[in-house]
Amino acid sequence: GAGVSQSPSNKVTEKGKDVELRCDPISGHTALYWYRQSLGQGLEFLIYFQGNSAPDKSGLPSDRFSAERTGGSVSTLTIQRTQQEDSAVYLCASRDTFPGNTIYFGEGSWLTVV
Amino acid sequence: KNQVEQSPQSLIILEGKNCTLQCNYTVSPFSNLRWYKQDTGRGPVSLTIMTFSENTKSNGRYTATLDADTKQSSLHITASQLSDSASYICVVVPLGGGSYIPTFGRGTSLIVHP
Repeated sequence: GAGVSQSPSNKVTEKGKDVELRCDPISGHTALYWYRQSLGQGLEFLIYFQGNSAPDKSGLPSDRFSAERTGGSVSTLTIQRTQQEDSAVYLCASRDTFPGNTIYFGEGSWLTVV
Repeated sequence: KNQVEQSPQSLIILEGKNCTLQCNYTVSPFSNLRWYKQDTGRGPVSLTIMTFSENTKSNGRYTATLDADTKQSSLHITASQLSDSASYICVVVPLGGGSYIPTFGRGTSLIVHP
């Protein structure tokens, strides 16, 4: 596709349920990021994938959070046993190989845990 | 800890006026500094990218400056338009370590009034 695509765009889930958020990066982009943005807050780094290298998971807030990137393309962020504090916008971004190039963001997945 | 601080937190100006947003960072060494525009409910969109050797970069009515010695950047918006109302985010990408994980400021919320 032309841009980074995320789904679902909106998700309301009950506390304790698991959710999966999907990201389709720009075709050919080797780098993929997940960020979280709470209302009125800055972007919080979650996880970074670069090619076939081991992902940088240093930003994941707890072991309830995990992410995969299959075939170097699509990525799924999974949140297990959701809590109300998980409510936020989850933004995915991708970039081609060169670190100095533009990072393109998707429109985000708005998660509300009730 | 690498940090990116932005000021002011929010700003209200009249349509047609100019304004300047500030960014101070402690990320060092850094690969590049970026400014993003984020409309409410949307993902961030890249405005400018500057390497440490660049002092200024323009994109239409947006001009970013960088002083790597003082670790300061600014974004100047000329002849503001109503559509400029958004959050403007300063982002610094570190050099080295292999991750190139951008650090985001909290953003400056700009409101342009008619």
